[in-house]
Amino acid sequence: QQQVKQSPQSLIVQKGGISIINCAYENTAFDYFPWYQQFPGKGPALLIAIRPDVSEKKEGRFTISFNKSAKQFSLHIMDSQPGDSATYFCAASSSGAGSYQLTFGKGTKLSVIP
Amino acid sequence: EAGVVQSPRYKIIEKKQPVAFWCNPISGHNTLYWYRQNLGQGPELLIRYENEEAVDDSQLPKDRFSAERLKGVDSTLKIQPAELGDSAVYLCASSLGLFSAGGQETQYFGPGTRLLVL
Repeated sequence: QQQVKQSPQSLIVQKGGISIINCAYENTAFDYFPWYQQFPGKGPALLIAIRPDVSEKKEGRFTISFNKSAKQFSLHIMDSQPGDSATYFCAASSSGAGSYQLTFGKGTKLSVIP
Repeated sequence: EAGVVQSPRYKIIEKKQPVAFWCNPISGHNTLYWYRQNLGQGPELLIRYENEEAVDDSQLPKDRFSAERLKGVDSTLKIQPAELGDSAVYLCASSLGLFSAGGQETQYFGPGTRLLVL
């Protein structure tokens, strides 16, 4: 089964610090890598996404770094804020089969403490 | 713009009882997904619709689960009979469609229905 492995399972960061979440994948056919943010009682919401033709994408305080040869990608949250406290999921999908089915990691619970 | 609407938000039933979840996708979105999210896990796809056609239901436990999307808009997911292991959050998501500009589609998730089977 296609898998996306995410780490760490939980993360505690001081306000203003950098939060880093890592994901690794196996299927080389994956060509779309989104990150979703989920607050308690809410559905996941797209945060930022990257395609394998670039090595980095930045949107505000959020940056995805992508290493195609290592089959790894990571989310960096700069200047982390208490409002960033949520569960973050990496995901991957392949357009090759036309399904765009997202395979999610198991999630990282981020707590940003003041 | 209204997001994906799901109801009910919470449901508690006894095992062997039937249960149904309803989803109204974002207006104009042709693709609809049902996911199951177990506690502490990421969402897992159950079924995907392109308009009214179920194009990927390989992960749907067909012995007890069924889904429909009449007229290619609203969708209902049913479990009959429910088992203890079905306790989870059932998420509905929608996207514009496979052939919209840009290729990969952003999936927009609803708040989910939290099911507890006793």
